[in-house]
This record gives sequence, C-alpha cells and structure tokens, in this order.
Amino acid sequence: GAVVSQHPSWVICKSGTSVKIECRSLDFQATTMFWYRQFPKQSLMLMATSNEGSKATYEQGVEKDKFLINHASLTLSTLTVTSAHPEDSSFYICSARDRLAGRDEQFFGPGTRLTVL
Amino acid sequence: GDSVTQMEGPVTLSEEAFLTINCTYTATGYPSLFWYVQYPGEGLQLLLKATKADDKGSNKGFEATYRKETTSFHLEKGSVQVSDSAVYFCALSKGKGGKLIFGQGTELSVKP
Repeated sequence: GAVVSQHPSWVICKSGTSVKIECRSLDFQATTMFWYRQFPKQSLMLMATSNEGSKATYEQGVEKDKFLINHASLTLSTLTVTSAHPEDSSFYICSARDRLAGRDEQFFGPGTRLTVL
Repeated sequence: GDSVTQMEGPVTLSEEAFLTINCTYTATGYPSLFWYVQYPGEGLQLLLKATKADDKGSNKGFEATYRKETTSFHLEKGSVQVSDSAVYFCALSKGKGGKLIFGQGTELSVKP
C-alpha cells in the first residue's frame, strides 16, 4: 500500500515556541491531506483539510492562526503549531488521499507526539 | 451532527476466541463506513469498508455488514490471533470531500 511519513515522530518544546510537523506521501501524489489530533484514549479529531495550492479548510473550533497548514506540493503538507502551550500537547496525525483511477483511499502517517513544557 | 460510537475497551480475549466490536453511527444521508486498525507504533490502516446498505466488507478474516435499519457496522472475526492485538477504529465518510469521522477506538488485546 501507499506510504505516508511524518517528521518528527516526537518533539518536546518550550511554551511559546513554534513547532513544524511534516507529512509526506512517499510513493503517490496527494492533492488532499488531512490533519487530525488525538488525545489519549480518545478518537481522532479532524482539524483541517489541506488542498495542494490552496488555503486549508479548518474545522469549527480550530484556530487557523495557531495551527498553520501549508500544502506546497503534491507530496508534502506541513502543520506549524505557533506559540505552543501545554494544552497543545497531543498526538498529531496526518493522512493523504490517494485518488488514482478506481481508488479513493486515505493513507495515514504514524503520528507525531508533541509535548509542550 | 454526524457521529460514530464504538464499544469501550479494552477488550481482552484468548487466542481463537470470537470477536465482536460494536459500532453504531448517526448520520444523515448515505455514508460510507470503515474499520481502521492501528498496530502499536504504526499509522492507521484501512481494514475494510462498505459503501451502501447491506454491503459486507471483509479482510484478513474480519468482516462487517452495513446495517442501515440499525445504523450499525459491527466488526467480527471468528478466531482471533495474538497478532490481531491493536486499536480498532470505526469511521464514516459522506460526500466527495473525503472527511472521516471516527469513533473513539477500541483496544483489543489477545492473549496466547
């Protein structure tokens, strides 16, 4: 199956700093990528939909100025958590949508654990 | 709004036991339904899906039937293995946008 990578896999930062998380589709082109947040023992919550070459669409309640998303190419989307605070500590997961002829499926990255001190 | 509810875990079974993980959904229209599996340290993987009522999705011995009358999509396997230990997520999707709405996940632990 298609492979999606995330970098870094974990990061610890100080409160007030910004952190960038990369999501890459390694063997397919993804016009659409999704960013999720997962709290311990809870579901994945969709934060935003990222379309290559256009602005991301954020879900209700997600601050677009705090969670900056850039989808500059067909294989890379980035999520930047700006001025991070301890409440932003979470597990962030991306997925990339593969829409080859006859297939429409999302492939998920392994996630990034963010801890804000 | 649309939502997915799964049975709470963790579920602990002995090897070769029968597995059922319940999933019910609330949605307008005709969603597609999915089961994803997350093995330790890995990303979510699509396990099976069904796109319309009465469809049965199946893969690796797992199966689930789209029941519109009960708004359910329960996951079953006749004989689990230790290697099936993972977290299982039920999800739905509507329309062409591809957005997925997930249940809270059910952790399965299979003991030898």
